[in-house]
Amino acid sequence: EAGVAQSPRYKIIEKRQSVAFWCNPISGHATLYWYQQILGQGPKLLIQFQNNGVVDDSQLPKDRFSAERLKGVDSTLKIQPAKLEDSAVYLCASSLGGGTGGVHAYEQYFGPGTRLTVT
Amino acid sequence: GENVEQHPSTLSVQEGDSAVIKCTYSDSASNYFPWYKQELGKRPQLIIDIRSNVGEKKDQRIAVTLNKTAKHFSLHITETQPEDSAVYFCAAMGKLTFGTGTRLTIIP
Repeated sequence: EAGVAQSPRYKIIEKRQSVAFWCNPISGHATLYWYQQILGQGPKLLIQFQNNGVVDDSQLPKDRFSAERLKGVDSTLKIQPAKLEDSAVYLCASSLGGGTGGVHAYEQYFGPGTRLTVT
Repeated sequence: GENVEQHPSTLSVQEGDSAVIKCTYSDSASNYFPWYKQELGKRPQLIIDIRSNVGEKKDQRIAVTLNKTAKHFSLHITETQPEDSAVYFCAAMGKLTFGTGTRLTIIP
């Protein structure tokens, strides 16, 4: 089966500019996650969707970050305006999710990530 | 919120020896504990996971143990091979939180 797709793979912008990332999860996966991974650190959850609803966005800096998953499939993450400290890899992951997911409900599969450099 | 601590931050072992990485968590409501392997410049990959109703799980050379009372879980890799060299992350889900990672180096 096809994996999680993300684009672009790399992006360089200047501070105060805006940027958007796109993610297409594995077909049939109800849960979608966006993570920020700063070099040398573990992934930090930014937002979790279950279908098209937000489950957890407590660590999303809402003054500059926004995310949507309007049709419950693909998702976009936007940063506006960007700051230097936003330089990181943005990872998207998906899982089957609770309910019908069974024992594999929580297994997350990651996309290749988008490496963002803010100058 | 959940706090996950992971130790050690770096670990070097001779090829063929065993490696153990330990994590502790704070939220007693956490019920799912995955481990990920991340090679340089690549995405994290799930290597093994365990749910809170199980104390141990094994998959070939990899095993994970969970002590719910003490709120800690560990990854055990036996008969290590050079391709095991990578950064390993533990995570705890109630509120999904990752550890800080362990850089494992296998010395040939």
